[in-house]
Amino acid sequence: AQRVTQPEKLLSVFKGAPVELKCNYSYSGSPELFWYVQYSRQRLQLLLRHISRESIKGFTADLNKGETSFHLKKPFAQEEDSAMYYCALGATNKLIFGTGTLLAVQP
Amino acid sequence: KAGVTQTPRYLIKTRGQQVTLSCSPISGHRSVSWYQQTPGQGLQFLFEYFSETQRNKGNFPGRFSGRQFSNSRSEMNVSTLELGDSALYLCASRPQGGNEQFFGPGTRLTVL
Repeated sequence: AQRVTQPEKLLSVFKGAPVELKCNYSYSGSPELFWYVQYSRQRLQLLLRHISRESIKGFTADLNKGETSFHLKKPFAQEEDSAMYYCALGATNKLIFGTGTLLAVQP
Repeated sequence: KAGVTQTPRYLIKTRGQQVTLSCSPISGHRSVSWYQQTPGQGLQFLFEYFSETQRNKGNFPGRFSGRQFSNSRSEMNVSTLELGDSALYLCASRPQGGNEQFFGPGTRLTVL
């Protein structure tokens, strides 16, 4: 079955603390993984894709095929990082989304 | 380039009515997908169109349908509305050869 799991509904951290948003997937094939972010009152937007292996806004994510994970990390959280984060799996011309994790960065 | 646009942004309907939502993709994008976003079910794939053909369909009842026009603009239709159809409906377009999708602001549908 094709599935994306984000185990945490809410992650609350203090400004300057490290952040790790967990994502695990189930897919019988070569996966293409993405992280999307939705800031308050804004549209869903692409944050990262595993193929590009780039860092956006200080966030990175590494695809671990052995653990079927694609966790999102940032060493030092900022208040403006507060948003809803969705992990997504690209499969057969569609995206399969996890349930999302709300990141709340406290001052 | 202008982003994905959706109209209308808000809709209020009553049970039993039908509704049509519209989406204009990013210029040059020929693939358009629709998603339903609800607090309980999260983001769920409805269907995908490419060059006026439906290529993929999610697990939704036949009351949900869509189409795509020759200019890549897309519409989705929901007939015989139910309370549970209240949701944010998102449209996304995709460039050819890529899986990353670019989302519109959504249409907030409320069924009373």
